[in-house]
Amino acid sequence: QVQLVQSGAEVKKPGASVKVSCKASGYTFTGYYMHWVRQAPGQGLEWMGWINPNSGGTNYAQKFQGRVTMTRDTSISTAYMELSRLRSDDTAVYYCARVTHPALWGRGTLVTVSS
Amino acid sequence: SYELTQPPSVSVSPGQTARITCSGDALPKKYAYWYQQKSGQAPVLVIYEDSKRPSGIPERFSGSSSGTMATLTISGAQVEDEADYYCYSTDSSGNHVVFGGGTKLTVL
Repeated sequence: QVQLVQSGAEVKKPGASVKVSCKASGYTFTGYYMHWVRQAPGQGLEWMGWINPNSGGTNYAQKFQGRVTMTRDTSISTAYMELSRLRSDDTAVYYCARVTHPALWGRGTLVTVSS
Repeated sequence: SYELTQPPSVSVSPGQTARITCSGDALPKKYAYWYQQKSGQAPVLVIYEDSKRPSGIPERFSGSSSGTMATLTISGAQVEDEADYYCYSTDSSGNHVVFGGGTKLTVL
């Protein structure tokens, strides 16, 4: 079955880091860029960046430069997104996704940042 | 930074045609994609590369692009089409993806 399975919800304190995983199955992991997109409560979709699972090359949205790191482990077909120096406005659902056709999205991981 | 602009809301009666626009300076050279997102669910791609429809998406969904504006058209909108719709594309470099702010479609 073609799917992306994300790690579970996280609660973090301001200033901490969070690392979300995204395990791909049913397709060639290295064949498609993996994007990370987040959505704050009641807000729109916000693109964070992508990783090329084949080369490990990354491209981050300017807003997240210096705070986000995207990595992958091809041996287990898993992508990771780590966001550091968390703030309350980082509270959001974080999605991994193949955004172009054929599109494929994970179910999302809720990250709550609260003291 | 590059932006895509959508109207915040569009409202139609069932059976009418709904049109949602997306404007961006790079659209003459870059494809537009359209996502549908219903409450509490992950987005679903309904149009890719301006006008192509993924399998499983009803024929009433269509897309077009002209100049700096892309348009998602829902011909004969149904109540189940109520959702938020997002366009997305890349900037002129092709490296950075950007989503429009989203349009809430109401069908009632």
